Amino acid sequence: GENVEQHPSTLSVQEGDSAVIKCTYSDSASNYFPWYKQELGKRPQLIIDIRSNVGEKKDQRIAVTLNKTAKHFSLHITETQPEDSAVYFCAAPKFNDYKLSFGAGTTVTVRA
Amino acid sequence: DGGITQSPKYLFRKEGQNVTLSCEQNLNHDAMYWYRQDPGQGLRLIYYSQIVNDFQKGDIAEGYSVSREKKESFPLTVTSAQKNPTAFYLCASSLLSVAEAFFGQGTRLTVV
Repeated sequence: GENVEQHPSTLSVQEGDSAVIKCTYSDSASNYFPWYKQELGKRPQLIIDIRSNVGEKKDQRIAVTLNKTAKHFSLHITETQPEDSAVYFCAAPKFNDYKLSFGAGTTVTVRA
Repeated sequence: DGGITQSPKYLFRKEGQNVTLSCEQNLNHDAMYWYRQDPGQGLRLIYYSQIVNDFQKGDIAEGYSVSREKKESFPLTVTSAQKNPTAFYLCASSLLSVAEAFFGQGTRLTVV
């Protein structure tokens, strides 16, 4: 499958600050980049995704940016709140493949 | 209520026993997947299937088996050949296109 690397593995931020997670992928033809949030003991759920025909997408306090030339995409969370504490996974498929390859995950802790 | 359901939520296995984890979906998705989640290692693909009576090995298939007799169901058997089966197992489903994967709530398997 696609090779997806995710950094950092852990991230601790003060409430109200921003958090940024970055992922790189290997297949330059990949065209879909989702981000999943997994709260403790629960299932991963899609929070935002982006397709390769746009460079940025926002949904309230979260945004994803895509740099196709550098083959990386990032999740940005602004004005972090305690409920943002979770594990976040990025993913990408190989070109024309429906099967997602996931990054190793980032554990985000928001300190009150 | 549409979705993907895994059972049981918790499962205990004695060494040397086979156990089967259930996964059912009513989303009319063609593709189904099994992932294993260990701390710090993200989601690793065990098996996946895109059509009834057909399935392929993922990255860590050794010690596992699956079947796909119905579109809605994709059970996973953890065999005695799996040397380190204690983990959190997630089932997912998706369309056969580049799109969101939906996850079940997971089964936590512990070897006792």
